[in-house]
Amino acid sequence: DAKTTQPNSMESNEEEPVHLPCNHSTISGTDYIHWYRQLPSQGPEYVIHGLTSNVNNRMASLAIAEDRKSSTLILHRATLRDAAVYYCILSATIQGAQKLVFGQGTRLTINP
Amino acid sequence: NAGVTQTPKFQVLKTGQSMTLQCAQDMNHNSMYWYRQDPGMGLRLIYYSASEGTTDKGEVPNGYNVSRLNKREFSLRLESAAPSQTSVYFCASSSSRVREQYFGPGTRLTVT
Repeated sequence: DAKTTQPNSMESNEEEPVHLPCNHSTISGTDYIHWYRQLPSQGPEYVIHGLTSNVNNRMASLAIAEDRKSSTLILHRATLRDAAVYYCILSATIQGAQKLVFGQGTRLTINP
Repeated sequence: NAGVTQTPKFQVLKTGQSMTLQCAQDMNHNSMYWYRQDPGMGLRLIYYSASEGTTDKGEVPNGYNVSRLNKREFSLRLESAAPSQTSVYFCASSSSRVREQYFGPGTRLTVT
């Protein structure tokens, strides 16, 4: 399974943008890039996913490098509620199911 | 909609005891998953079920069995619990149409 590399931790200030990087140099052509986040004592929560093009949704934006070997999750205006562990994951689809391989993620701290 | 529900929320077992963790989803999803999360680590896939009637091993299947009882329910059984199985267990489900897994609140299991 392809692996991802993320910084262990990052810190940002409330109401500022946050850029969370992820390297995935061994990505295959059919792997999707997913981001999930996990708040304390909760299950993971889907944030965004993409294949080749940049993606936007109500929670965040995903910028994917042209060679697909790296990506960046962008939170446009961080709030205290965005403090969580963020996981960058490559997924393969098998018979309609997605096999997600979680790494250790990036612990994001938001300062008031 | 309740989403993904898991029972029990907490459980303490003695080494060698058996138990079944229950998971149900009300979103009519085809695929269901069981993960474990050890302290400070990302989630690891134990087993998954791409559709009703099928189950497949994930990264760490040893010591576990699963049953996809029907489209809604997917149970995880520990036949002879070991201290190494102390963990938080998450169930998730997904549709083949969208690339998003929905996670339950987790079961915190301690084996003494």
